[in-house]
Amino acid sequence: DGGITQSPKYLFRKEGQNVTLSCEQNLNHDAMYWYRQDPGQGLRLIYYSQIVNDFQKGDIAEGYSVSREKKESFPLTVTSAQKNPTAFYLCASKLTGGVGEKLFFGSGTQLSVL
Amino acid sequence: AQTVTQSQPEMSVQEAETVTLSCTYDTSESDYYLFWYKQPPSRQMILVIRQEAYKQQNATENRFSVNFQKAAKSFSLKISDSQLGDAAMYFCAYRRNRGGYQKVTFGTGTKLQVIP
Repeated sequence: DGGITQSPKYLFRKEGQNVTLSCEQNLNHDAMYWYRQDPGQGLRLIYYSQIVNDFQKGDIAEGYSVSREKKESFPLTVTSAQKNPTAFYLCASKLTGGVGEKLFFGSGTQLSVL
Repeated sequence: AQTVTQSQPEMSVQEAETVTLSCTYDTSESDYYLFWYKQPPSRQMILVIRQEAYKQQNATENRFSVNFQKAAKSFSLKISDSQLGDAAMYFCAYRRNRGGYQKVTFGTGTKLQVIP
């Protein structure tokens, strides 16, 4: 079945540590997105990518980095520069070039600080 | 920059009754899409309904319908015959339709409680 897979479901980060959240899709979608969800703040865009080897900063990119070496994969690294990383992270993808396509979401990763 | 505002952090509705969730947005674009997504306790995001800005007719999906007022930049969601399974967070979202990077912007969400 086609879909988006995020792993791990739960992740714990120690002080000063970088951690990487995985996002893989087999939907043949060009565009991929990373959102951060905090209680009462909705979904805020971290990074997005419309094609391989290209990505754009979203509204809250500081302390995060991404890569898009393959169409299927869009990993997010939470660096030690992100001082408040505890949140629920959602990855999404969609087709580009058409109209009105919805976002397909993964099941999310809950990141907590030890 | 586009912004999406949901001014109702929480709403409640009696089972079988009707409830309307509000959303306003700000954009200088004329061609865009608006969406309502539902996030139940499982946290899986589910598309409820979408509306293209150029279509004057309000979108409808079964018990879900929208009231799209383009001039007022308002996009409310009406849920009729509310069911217990409708209890969830509801997010309004905006995306420009053509050209450039298709950033999708979400509102802060409305938590809907359905009372049996």
